Amino acid sequence: DVKVTQSSRYLVKRTGEKVFLECVQDMDHENMFWYRQDPGLGLRLIYFSYDVKMKEKGDIPEGYSVSREKKERFSLILESASTNQTSMYLCATRQGAGLAEAFFGQGTRLTVV
Amino acid sequence: GQQVMQIPQYQHVQEGEDFTTYCNSSTTLSNIQWYKQRPGGHPVFLIQLVKSGEVKKQKRLTFQFGEAKKNSSLHITATQTTDVGTYFCAGPTSGTYKYIFGTGTRLKVLA
Repeated sequence: DVKVTQSSRYLVKRTGEKVFLECVQDMDHENMFWYRQDPGLGLRLIYFSYDVKMKEKGDIPEGYSVSREKKERFSLILESASTNQTSMYLCATRQGAGLAEAFFGQGTRLTVV
Repeated sequence: GQQVMQIPQYQHVQEGEDFTTYCNSSTTLSNIQWYKQRPGGHPVFLIQLVKSGEVKKQKRLTFQFGEAKKNSSLHITATQTTDVGTYFCAGPTSGTYKYIFGTGTRLKVLA
């Protein structure tokens, strides 16, 4: 079975803290993605990676960075958490760029207080 | 940049009524995929459409890809309470690995 695992289901952090969200996949997929989900805004792409150490900005990268040192792991970093980053964060993987479907982790509900 | 909008944002229907959500892209899509997210869950792949004008069916669900490959629709016939959730369309941006989702339509079915 395909598995995408996010390190935490729920997280509460203080404003200004550095926050790490981890995502691990066991499918050997090249592409990994971080989205945030907010009511009425759908899934917005933060960053994606198409290979180890390769990354590209998505549509809303401000305030975030990412790291992909190994193929199976893609980390999202909030350098200095702010309350407007309170959201549901979803990691996804996808094989290639063509017709492949995306597989999602269970999501991390982050609250910044 | 490319934007993918879905309408309506929310829809409440009585069980047994039909439901349709529309997906509109600002640019041409090479293919389009549909996902369903149950309350408290994560998006799960439903189907993919590739050809202009393509129509696919999955039991009570009918998916259509527009002739210009810039829009798509999902129609559910005779909704059931198990259809509750948020439906997203998604597609790759041509020439890149970027993969974006629509704004989603949240369906509530009243028994």
